[in-house]
Amino acid sequence: DSGVTQTPKHLITATGQRVTLRCSPRSGDLSVYWYQQSLDQGLQFLIQYYNGEERAKGNILERFSAQQFPDLHSELNLSSLELGDSALYFCASSALLNTGELFFGEGSRLTVL
Amino acid sequence: AQSVTQLDSHVSVSEGTPVLLRCNYSSSYSPSLFWYVQHPNKGLQLLLKYTSAATLVKGINGFEAEFKKSETSFHLTKPSAHMSDAAEYFCVVSDRGSGTYKYIFGTGTRLKVLA
Repeated sequence: DSGVTQTPKHLITATGQRVTLRCSPRSGDLSVYWYQQSLDQGLQFLIQYYNGEERAKGNILERFSAQQFPDLHSELNLSSLELGDSALYFCASSALLNTGELFFGEGSRLTVL
Repeated sequence: AQSVTQLDSHVSVSEGTPVLLRCNYSSSYSPSLFWYVQHPNKGLQLLLKYTSAATLVKGINGFEAEFKKSETSFHLTKPSAHMSDAAEYFCVVSDRGSGTYKYIFGTGTRLKVLA
């Protein structure tokens, strides 16, 4: 158990809908990272937060947004969903900013029909 | 610029034979290096890490890796493969480039273990 909790584990929705994925980092970890993993694109970095502030953006679509709250949990919002957004979404946390080991959650599997 | 190259996208070994998963990196500073394992439909789990201490790093489940600065390599090895080792393996670098640290992931190596 990594200590990183992601909900929901599975989500099935329709095109055009909006979903929110939630991540609780390991106790004390200030950095949260979101990744998308799909069969055709592999593991892609989406966005990173550190102590409530956005610190880095990767290949995140404009339809996607995220935030980190004062209690350090994070949410990834995916809107106007398309079939191609079907993927496994991982959250990871680390104690420091981009250094030290990353601890990954079990992921949220999103299926868009 | 920092980069990570996993030289094999797929590796197949027989159970009980050695495993070698290759990783080369490019770094301007002193990187930290990690190997992660991902079993199907699971999150990534840390196998081992190098953070400028001993160059031979031992990890969980009998895996180890050697940091070779002259070859810019961090290959993952295991003396004897087990069926449960079948998974995808990611080499990751944490490095300070352009003033800020960032994580760079390799594209992954899928290990198949044959009975």
